[in-house]
Amino acid sequence: AQSVTQPDIHITVSEGASLELRCNYSYGATPYLFWYVQSPGQGLQLLLKYFSGDTLVQGIKGFEAEFKRSQSSFNLRKPSVHWSDAAEYFCAVVEHYDKVIFGPGTSLSVIP
Amino acid sequence: DAGVIQSPRHEVTEMGQEVTLRCKPISGHDYLFWYRQTMMRGLELLIYFNNNVPIDDSGMPEDRFSAKMPNASFSTLKIQPSEPRDSAVYFCASSPEGLALNEQFFGPGTRLTVL
Repeated sequence: AQSVTQPDIHITVSEGASLELRCNYSYGATPYLFWYVQSPGQGLQLLLKYFSGDTLVQGIKGFEAEFKRSQSSFNLRKPSVHWSDAAEYFCAVVEHYDKVIFGPGTSLSVIP
Repeated sequence: DAGVIQSPRHEVTEMGQEVTLRCKPISGHDYLFWYRQTMMRGLELLIYFNNNVPIDDSGMPEDRFSAKMPNASFSTLKIQPSEPRDSAVYFCASSPEGLALNEQFFGPGTRLTVL
């Protein structure tokens, strides 16, 4: 079975600083990968997705992610964090074309 | 479209009572998912439907849990009898045909507390 790991349970950054959230997956073939964000008291919202092609994908809210097959990673980045980015971030991989496996999530706090 | 609608938003009940959570997916979406989110276990897929048919219910924790989708615009998740360990946030999500290429749209969730 596929799995997704997010090594960092919680990260704190200062507003304006850069951000990188780590995600590693286990899957034999080319994976379908997603990043979702969950604001407090809300459901999850898709930030970006990777299926094939360019390994650097752009998403909403200024986020981007890079797929690295050699490292089985799909890290999320943002050059300058805003206070409104404080949320829970989930990496996910599609299994068997119909089922999405979510990672445990990384909680992001932003210091003014 | 109003997005995925879930009701109630909050539910407090006593152990042993029946609980029914409701979901209205986005019109035209063929897939519907029920998830449970807890601090200990994170986000877990309980069951999902394709065209109103349950496809995979391997995530349903036990027989106390059941889910139905009588038509394309409505689904329920029922817990009978409820237990304190069922306390969690339950999300419903829907997706267009072809999940591998499409995002899931999540509802706001139902926060369930079982006393």
